[in-house]
Amino acid sequence: GAVVSQHPSRVICKSGTSVKIECRSLDFQATTMFWYRQFPKQSLMLMATSNEGSKATYEQGVEKDKFLINHASLTLSTLTVTSAHPEDSSFYICSAREMGHRETQYFGPGTRLLVL
Amino acid sequence: GDSVTQMEGPVTLSEEAFLTINCTYTATGYPSLFWYVQYPGEGLQLLLKATKADDKGSNKGFEATYRKETTSFHLEKGSVQVSDSAVYFCALSIIQGAQKLVFGQGTRLTINP
Repeated sequence: GAVVSQHPSRVICKSGTSVKIECRSLDFQATTMFWYRQFPKQSLMLMATSNEGSKATYEQGVEKDKFLINHASLTLSTLTVTSAHPEDSSFYICSAREMGHRETQYFGPGTRLLVL
Repeated sequence: GDSVTQMEGPVTLSEEAFLTINCTYTATGYPSLFWYVQYPGEGLQLLLKATKADDKGSNKGFEATYRKETTSFHLEKGSVQVSDSAVYFCALSIIQGAQKLVFGQGTRLTINP
């Protein structure tokens, strides 16, 4: 089946630093990738939609200068949390949609970010 | 706007009990409906889906029927196992544009032996 990986799985950083999270589709090409944020015991909140070769589309209320998204190839999207603060601590999840399959998203295992 | 409402958890059942997790939705148009499952420490996995009214999605003993008249997509299983313990998310797919998923709040299910 389709596999999506994320790296790192867990990261701890100091306040003010930037953190990059990678999302890769391992065995398929993904024209569209999505980035979600999940707070403890809550649902997934879509942050942005990333299309290969073009700028990401951000959801209302998500700061695009703080959460930089790059989708440079059909198998890789990155999310960079710039100048991270403790309130950015969360579980970040990506998903990828296979080219030609509009209905199904495959999810990565998530990245736990803790900002001290 | 489009939204999904799930029954609040947590839900705790004994092994072999019957399971129902309620899900209702609000949407313009005719969305596709999904159930995703998140096992401890893992990412979301698609459990089942239905793309039009009266469709029944099924997988691993779980079933859900797309009911347009009641705007519902309740998840059921006749006999749960300890290994079914997880968080279950109901979701709908917005048809226009990038076809985004809108998730319910999730229901934590614990099955005791």
